[in-house]
Amino acid sequence: SQTIHQWPATLVQPVGSPLSLECTVEGTSNPNLYWYRQAAGRGLQLLFYSIGIGQISSEVPQNLSASRPQDRQFILSSKKLLLSDSGFYLCAWNRDHGYTFGSGTRLTVV
Amino acid sequence: SQQGEEDPQALSIQEGENATMNCSYKTSINNLQWYRQNSGRGLVHLILIRSNEREKHSGRLRVTLDTSKKSSSLLITASRAADTASYFCATDVGYTSGTYKYIFGTGTRLKVLA
Repeated sequence: SQTIHQWPATLVQPVGSPLSLECTVEGTSNPNLYWYRQAAGRGLQLLFYSIGIGQISSEVPQNLSASRPQDRQFILSSKKLLLSDSGFYLCAWNRDHGYTFGSGTRLTVV
Repeated sequence: SQQGEEDPQALSIQEGENATMNCSYKTSINNLQWYRQNSGRGLVHLILIRSNEREKHSGRLRVTLDTSKKSSSLLITASRAADTASYFCATDVGYTSGTYKYIFGTGTRLKVLA
């Protein structure tokens, strides 16, 4: 079956610490993958998307970066977290009928 | 600015009533999608309507699309307490770099009272 996994579910990190969030897809090959961020009570902001290994498109300049080291793996990173990086991060896979989202990571930067 | 804007921002109804949410967007689209998000969870895809379609049904959901007005509505009939969630519309903003990109609205928070 085709599924998308995202971890960890929650994360509390101090300001200035690094970040690595991982997203993996099962049951398909060459998926289009996306990272979105949702601020509390707000809509989703598209951060990055990738159509293949090593291919990353960035939507907004920010403190974050993304990588696609393997076909079904999409990683969101930061070298030094800011308070403003707090939010709910969602990985998504674009299928013909729409997105399938992961369960999300709630990041709190303290 | 947001491509899609939902209206109302919040909606509270009694169980059994119908709930209608609206979405307006700014540019031409190929399709529009509606998603549901339970508190603290990921989004779940509900329905996709293409630009050449005017209405689509899925169970208790009815979606309409008016491309001349750049708007869509989501109707949930005979609402249940379990329908309590936030609902988002998403519109594609073009095909670039080998994929469609979708922009989400700010959502409508629906509360169904038992």
